[in-house]
Amino acid sequence: QAGLTQPPSVSNGLRQTATITCTGNSNNVGNQGAAWLQQHQGHPPKLLFYRSTNRPSWVSERFSASRSGDTASLTITGLQPEDEADYYCSTWDNSLDGWVFGGGTKLTVL
Amino acid sequence: EVQLVESGGALVQPGGSLRLSCTASGFTFTDCWMTWVRQAPGKGLEWVATIKQDEIGTFYVDSVKGRFTISRDNAKNSLYLQMNSLRAEDTAVYYCVRDWGAPDYWGQGTLVTVSS
Repeated sequence: QAGLTQPPSVSNGLRQTATITCTGNSNNVGNQGAAWLQQHQGHPPKLLFYRSTNRPSWVSERFSASRSGDTASLTITGLQPEDEADYYCSTWDNSLDGWVFGGGTKLTVL
Repeated sequence: EVQLVESGGALVQPGGSLRLSCTASGFTFTDCWMTWVRQAPGKGLEWVATIKQDEIGTFYVDSVKGRFTISRDNAKNSLYLQMNSLRAEDTAVYYCVRDWGAPDYWGQGTLVTVSS
């Protein structure tokens, strides 16, 4: 089943800004928005955003998210060493009747 | 506090069967869809199956249709995944996930290894 498209890797320096994109189509991101997940090595994923822009209370305000058409974006400002992780987007696909995930983006803080 | 605790992962031979369980607590289980997501070693996340609150509505990724069955027992706050005809490519950590319109809470996962 077709998934969402993310860049394999993104990097930037300490205290800089990183942006990760997630591209789908009108059956998934364009219709449902996207959730963003953070996964540190050896740990389960943790929800960062749902329905593109809604941030749970446990997520730092350094994280923000948006959507434009079929593309969702996650932005992290003031990069910290603990932000190094894999980031995934995900959403329900109405045509597939199932969840789809992006391939994941490895964020490196230089 | 929401908690999801998986169990049942093991080493199994190709063609074998396994049943995973997930016990939920800290929320009203009957309010939520529930989902299984897996992650092969060193790979990304893959959705496996989802079940609605009513214990009847189910959805599966194509690669497991006819082999895996998702079910739940609302009286026991439990989610299950019956896996039959297992293949090497089913080797992964399997996560139990609360599906509240988004995968908002995840268990720690249970490892399934399919190998002879």
